[in-house]
Amino acid sequence: DAKTTQPTSMDCAEGRAANLPCNHSTISGNEYVYWYRQIHSQGPQYIIHGLKNNETNEMASLIITEDRKSSTLILPHATLRDTAVYYCIVRVKGTYKYIFGTGTRLKVLA
Amino acid sequence: NAGVMQNPRHLVRRRGQEARLRCSPMKGHSHVYWYRQLPEEGLKFMVYLQKENIIDESGMPKERFSAEFPKEGPSILRIQQVVRGDSAAYFCASSPSTSGTDNEQFFGPGTRLTVL
Repeated sequence: DAKTTQPTSMDCAEGRAANLPCNHSTISGNEYVYWYRQIHSQGPQYIIHGLKNNETNEMASLIITEDRKSSTLILPHATLRDTAVYYCIVRVKGTYKYIFGTGTRLKVLA
Repeated sequence: NAGVMQNPRHLVRRRGQEARLRCSPMKGHSHVYWYRQLPEEGLKFMVYLQKENIIDESGMPKERFSAEFPKEGPSILRIQQVVRGDSAAYFCASSPSTSGTDNEQFFGPGTRLTVL
């Protein structure tokens, strides 16, 4: 079973920031938080990952709470092409198995 | 630098036939993973292979399903005597050889299997 819970769906206006929450209350100290997205049933696309510090790359920012029980993926300026299902996954460092939940279906509105 | 390639992209089989799905990992990657996705569900891990070795097949159904990753050529996921319940999208992912368990996995576009 997935160790994360996410809202089923969210809407976001184009050009605004999209904030996607994820709860992982049972996360262990050696587990990373990964985010992937899946557009139109294509293969999942890696977005970002982190352990305990906030992370930022060209696609998004990842904010992890101090107790690590939850995190938020931020798309700073959502576009229509960001419409996708976003998956939050916890993964033990040194292991390979991703356990996907059902994700959040983000719809960016014009 | 080509990404993970899968073929065919769409495959239609009748019940009882065999399905063969191919996956070519990214250049330099020798770790391959197969996942299955049923409609409206997340991906489910099936099997993890390195060249000529099956490392973890805990997600594979016990019967009819097999996977290989030969020294030369693509990884193959083989489903014998397909049934309607095998209809799904099958995704392959690969990761680098030097630290495959620590790096993110790169996914292919998937093969959509339809069993009539």
